[in-house]
Amino acid sequence: GAGVSQSPRYKVTKRGQDVALRCDPISGHVSLYWYRQALGQGPEFLTYFNYEAQQDKSGLPNDRFSAERPEGSISTLTIQRTEQRDSAMYRCASSLPPGGAGELFFGEGSRLTVL
Amino acid sequence: DQQVKQNSPSLSVQEGRISILNCDYTNSMFDYFLWYKKYPAEGPTFLISISSIKDKNEDGRFTVFLNKSAKHLSLHIVPSQPGDSAVYFCAAIRRGGTSYGKLTFGQGTILTVHP
Repeated sequence: GAGVSQSPRYKVTKRGQDVALRCDPISGHVSLYWYRQALGQGPEFLTYFNYEAQQDKSGLPNDRFSAERPEGSISTLTIQRTEQRDSAMYRCASSLPPGGAGELFFGEGSRLTVL
Repeated sequence: DQQVKQNSPSLSVQEGRISILNCDYTNSMFDYFLWYKKYPAEGPTFLISISSIKDKNEDGRFTVFLNKSAKHLSLHIVPSQPGDSAVYFCAAIRRGGTSYGKLTFGQGTILTVHP
C-alpha cells in the first residue's frame, strides 16, 4: 500500500486477555518502529527493527509486551494479560534507511481500550 | 523525566500572522531535531528537521531555529493558514547513538489558525 497500515484500528478487550496489533510498513522500508501514545502526550518509543532484527526494545514497559517482524516486513506487537493501564494509541512507523534519519512515516494507529 | 518539553498546550493565531511554536530539551546528547504535524484521526507526518550543526533551516513557510546553548528550538510558520491548524510535536534524537530509531517526542501543541 501507499502508506503504513495498522490493524485493527480499534480494539476493545477485557483485562487479562491477550492482544495482537499488526503493522504493514511502506513497501521496501527497512526500519519499523512501534510507539505508544497516551491522550494528550506525544508518542513514546517502544521498540524498533531493522529488517527482521529487533535493534532496540528498551521502551517495552515489561515482559508482557513483545514484538516480532519475522520476514522483515509485517510486524506484530503482542500484549499478554492486558491491564487497564495498557489502554492507549499504539502507533507503527517505518523509514527507508537502516536505522532511519528520524523522518518516520506513521500509520493511523491502533487504539486499544482495556476494560 | 521529560527530556523534550513543549510548555504551551495550545496556540491561537489569526490567518496571515506568524505562528511560533516552542520546544525545550534537556539531553545535550541530542543532535537532530524534528517537527511533526498531526491532523485528527491521522498519524503524525514529518514537517521539517534541523541538525545540531545548524541554527536555522527553512522550507517554504516553515522555519526551524535551534539555540543549542539554551537547548531550545522553535518552529515559525509565516504566513499562517487555516490548514495549518493541527497538533505539532517536537522530537529529538541522538543520531550518533546506537538507537537510530528512538525519537523522543514532546507533548504537543495544538495550533488553531482563525480565518
